[in-house]
Amino acid sequence: GAVVSQHPSRVICKSGTSVKIECRSLDFQATTMFWYRQFPKQSLMLMATSNEGSKATYEQGVEKDKFLINHASLTLSTLTVTSAHPEDSSFYICSPLDLQDNEQFFGPGTRLTVL
Amino acid sequence: AQTVTQSQPEMSVQEAETVTLSCTYDTSENNYYLFWYKQPPSRQMILVIRQEAYKQQNATENRFSVNFQKAAKSFSLKISDSQLGDTAMYFCAFTKLSGTYKYIFGTGTRLKVLA
Repeated sequence: GAVVSQHPSRVICKSGTSVKIECRSLDFQATTMFWYRQFPKQSLMLMATSNEGSKATYEQGVEKDKFLINHASLTLSTLTVTSAHPEDSSFYICSPLDLQDNEQFFGPGTRLTVL
Repeated sequence: AQTVTQSQPEMSVQEAETVTLSCTYDTSENNYYLFWYKQPPSRQMILVIRQEAYKQQNATENRFSVNFQKAAKSFSLKISDSQLGDTAMYFCAFTKLSGTYKYIFGTGTRLKVLA
């Protein structure tokens, strides 16, 4: 399968700070990127879909001003959690879409803890 | 709207035995893909098996096979000769091929393989 990297793997920050998570598709070009969050023992919840060079589409209930997504290139997308609060603590997973195979690949995830 | 249902929150199986995980879905689409993903304690999502709806033959990958019943909208996963390393969360996922491509995940089944 395709290689997807996500950085950082873990981050602990103070309430009110912003955190940036990077996702790279290392061996294919991803025109579409999905961002998920996952709470313990729950399924993946889609937060937003971004297409390279255009604004992200957010799912209902996800604050676009809080979760900033940038998809400036075909191999890099970033998710910035702005003014993080303890309730933002979660596991965040990026998932680039390989249109050639019609398959989503998944990054290893980022565990965010907001104190 | 499409939905995916996994009715077994937790299951256990003895090592070397066979276990079947259930998944049902609802859609009016005719062309779609179905997936089973494994999420071990590392939380990396790993593709187990994929089924294209237009294919009547059930997909198999080594010890993993599916029973795809299109009319019944059922997509179960059979794991043969269960191994300790199969212990994980298993998610069933659906995506249509027309319009917006994005996965819809079930709530997951936590499988524990017992020694």
